[in-house]
Amino acid sequence: QKEVEQDPGPLSVPEGAIVSLNCTYSNSAFQYFMWYRQYSRKGPELLMYTYSSGNKEDGRFTAQVDKSSKYISLFIRDSQPSDSATYLCAPNYGGATNKLIFGTGTLLAVQP
Amino acid sequence: EAQVTQNPRYLITVTGKKLTVTCSQNMNHEYMSWYRQDPGLGLRQIYYSMNVEVTDKGDVPEGYKVSRKEKRNFPLILESPSPNQTSLYFCASSLSLLGGVSTEAFFGQGTRLTVV
Repeated sequence: QKEVEQDPGPLSVPEGAIVSLNCTYSNSAFQYFMWYRQYSRKGPELLMYTYSSGNKEDGRFTAQVDKSSKYISLFIRDSQPSDSATYLCAPNYGGATNKLIFGTGTLLAVQP
Repeated sequence: EAQVTQNPRYLITVTGKKLTVTCSQNMNHEYMSWYRQDPGLGLRQIYYSMNVEVTDKGDVPEGYKVSRKEKRNFPLILESPSPNQTSLYFCASSLSLLGGVSTEAFFGQGTRLTVV
């Protein structure tokens, strides 16, 4: 079983739609849950992260973690064509290691 | 501008010909790592370094070497490349995690390597 599972998509939505991107993970030791965004031909860049369970909002983006079910979500409100990218969830152990375990990424296309 | 710089961006080489991909960061970060990205497999860590002269294997280290002689540089060495090392490679850096506080990893632009 992979440590992090993510639907690869592609996911195509019309502009203005609410997008839900999800990951599941197997290791209960993960403490930080990061979302990276990767545009085509670019390196990943950190979008946002949460610590432990709960929600975190940043503009149109909301990250949600449910540690009891080992489920991570990223919601995008009022999606824009500029949101078209691959979204990677990346749990992190914290502590003495900075190792990120990446999901395979979900390719999102927002159609104008 | 804070950045991680990789070179070259694109490289086509032949089986067995040693090559080095360079990585340099200007943020004085302690932690640096190399990842490869393959379709359906995502990003997988090859090697990482927690500081100068401190390196360790990641999840897929076979066929790769690294060195960390200076804090800013972390080159990836393929002594005898093979076609299964054809991939997109990323270098990343971040502050160390003393105290358990997670910090952002900054990625380079990537190096697309093709081994024929």
